[in-house]
Amino acid sequence: GQNIDQPTEMTATEGAIVQINCTYQTSGFNGLFWYQQHAGEAPTFLSYNVLDGLEEKGRFSSFLSRSKGYSYLLLKELQMKDSASYLCAVLDSNYQLIWGAGTKLIIKP
Amino acid sequence: GAVVSQHPSWVICKSGTSVKIECRSLDFQATTMFWYRQFPKQSLMLMATSNEGSKATYEQGVEKDKFLINHASLTLSTLTVTSAHPEDSSFYICSAPRTSGSGGGTDTQYFGPGTRLTVL
Repeated sequence: GQNIDQPTEMTATEGAIVQINCTYQTSGFNGLFWYQQHAGEAPTFLSYNVLDGLEEKGRFSSFLSRSKGYSYLLLKELQMKDSASYLCAVLDSNYQLIWGAGTKLIIKP
Repeated sequence: GAVVSQHPSWVICKSGTSVKIECRSLDFQATTMFWYRQFPKQSLMLMATSNEGSKATYEQGVEKDKFLINHASLTLSTLTVTSAHPEDSSFYICSAPRTSGSGGGTDTQYFGPGTRLTVL
């Protein structure tokens, strides 16, 4: 079956760095997405990786290793507003989105 | 495994026809479901909140007569795109919250795999 794994919850300190991991097993691969979702709001697009390597976008970076079925989202200089759920989703061979359950990130002062 | 399913996965239709998309929660009941639209590499845009037993709540700018939502049961919500036009071509995604624990437990949003609509 198809599966996406990411930690349920993580806690980090304001100003620090946190890495949220995502591992996947899917039938085919057409890219991996990271979204940020604040409570009561729609998910916001953060990144899309389809080739191996690191993509940096301001304070957020996303890494992909297709051979390992692994990605991570790296958040630097954490701010209180970064407290949210972070969703990992993979586009499979049928261009269907397979979703992780999300990682709730708690930022403490 | 998936806990929210959508049907169909893909649909191609002619301009002017109507298309129905189903969203099902597979092993839990959902009094509320959400419908989103997504353009490539963009954020999910919330279209409406589907409420079991009552009318859907539409976001500003979404035509409720064009995007008909029916929450027929606690496990099924449908989105019908009426008189579809090429600009309606998009990826439509639903989600359903599942409450864990009893008496005020936290909700986890489960997302469907999406339905790709192409209007010719």
